[in-house]
Amino acid sequence: AQTVTQSQPEMSVQEAETVTLSCTYDTSENNYYLFWYKQPPSRQMILVIRQEAYKQQNATENRFSVNFQKAAKSFSLKISDSQLGDTAMYFCAFMKPYNTDKLIFGTGTRLQVFP
Amino acid sequence: EPEVTQTPSHQVTQMGQEVILRCVPISNHLYFYWYRQILGQKVEFLVSFYNNEISEKSEIFDDQFSVERPDGSNFTLKIRSTKLEDSAMYFCASKRTSARQETQYFGPGTRLLVL
Repeated sequence: AQTVTQSQPEMSVQEAETVTLSCTYDTSENNYYLFWYKQPPSRQMILVIRQEAYKQQNATENRFSVNFQKAAKSFSLKISDSQLGDTAMYFCAFMKPYNTDKLIFGTGTRLQVFP
Repeated sequence: EPEVTQTPSHQVTQMGQEVILRCVPISNHLYFYWYRQILGQKVEFLVSFYNNEISEKSEIFDDQFSVERPDGSNFTLKIRSTKLEDSAMYFCASKRTSARQETQYFGPGTRLLVL
């Protein structure tokens, strides 16, 4: 069975600095999808970034980028130039490429951005 | 931008009572999901629903749970006889197509407390 582990329950960063959130996963699949979702306080979870395992190039979305290390089964999220609005819970998630489209989530990392 | 909405935002109920959690997915979406998060634990998949049928359900989704799309807009999760361990945040999600990598859009959640 697939599992997703986020080892940092809480992180903090100063505004304009860079922070990296860790995520590791366990699977025997060769192809799959990985996601980072952000949940601001009292708001919906929204997709931040996604990565397809067969793509070697790391995904980027503006200030958000991932470091995808397939052999190490690691999928970390880097937030550059942190903003106060980045304060949120961040969830890493995994999806198999076939037979299911359920997301398998980690426990989340609470990120606080300080002025 | 269209959003998934959920009502109520909070619900308190007595053990053994029935509860219905309501979701309004994004209007042109066809695939619907329920997830839950017990406090301090992972977000867990409960069920997926398409074309008025359950596509997949987890082992959590036992006979006490049911889902329904009673009209063209609502998607409901019913818990027939609530248990203390059903206390959790329940998230509804939807997406437009069957593509695995397509974004699942989440609602803000309903916090259920069973006393």
